[in-house]
Amino acid sequence: NAGVTQTPKFQVLKTGQSMTLQCAQDMNHEYMSWYRQDPGMGLRLIHYSVGAGITDQGEVPNGYNVSRSTTEDFPLRLLSAAPSQTSVYFCASSYSGSKIDTQYFGPGTRLTVL
Amino acid sequence: DAKTTQPPSMDCAEGRAANLPCNHSTISGNEYVYWYRQIHSQGPQYIIHGLKNNETNEMASLIITEDRKSSTLILPHATLRDTAVYYCIVRVPGIYGGSQGNLIFGKGTKLSVKP
Repeated sequence: NAGVTQTPKFQVLKTGQSMTLQCAQDMNHEYMSWYRQDPGMGLRLIHYSVGAGITDQGEVPNGYNVSRSTTEDFPLRLLSAAPSQTSVYFCASSYSGSKIDTQYFGPGTRLTVL
Repeated sequence: DAKTTQPPSMDCAEGRAANLPCNHSTISGNEYVYWYRQIHSQGPQYIIHGLKNNETNEMASLIITEDRKSSTLILPHATLRDTAVYYCIVRVPGIYGGSQGNLIFGKGTKLSVKP
């Protein structure tokens, strides 16, 4: 299994540009989520999904859109990038049927908005 | 807000046990204690979790006090590769959304293992 994969690894955008951060998992996990991490901070939840077609907001959803059309993929869209969205973005997934409920994280996407 | 309190940093000598404390005085009866760690620039990694009994796996041991208001993660023989930020999180497994279901990360404890 590849686990949780994220693309791209690095991205530089100009203010106002749009882009999509890709996240995929091959573990048949129902739950997927997106976090951002700023310097010296813990991770903050942006959006999450408990299954295909179901998404909900986390702690810091403004400026981001998500959709979940398949179990495997959970893309994060920035419609109009702002410098405040400069951050490292992590995607995570877990199998909700397990009592352990371990969340597996991807390697991250480092985004800079100029 | 994170529902746990951890010291911002700790040092440990290589080969010695690292004991990382966590306070979670407002923990609910159905909330578990989870520990994750984040090695520099990587995604967080699950370590261990527990409800009220002590737990051990190949990575670490988790000691939870009888009143469940605090816990300690023990790395029995720390190595340089254990240098990381360690996060203590309380949540209800299988519940998603809200303060009980989501992983809410605080700032964690930065553990430095020194030769």
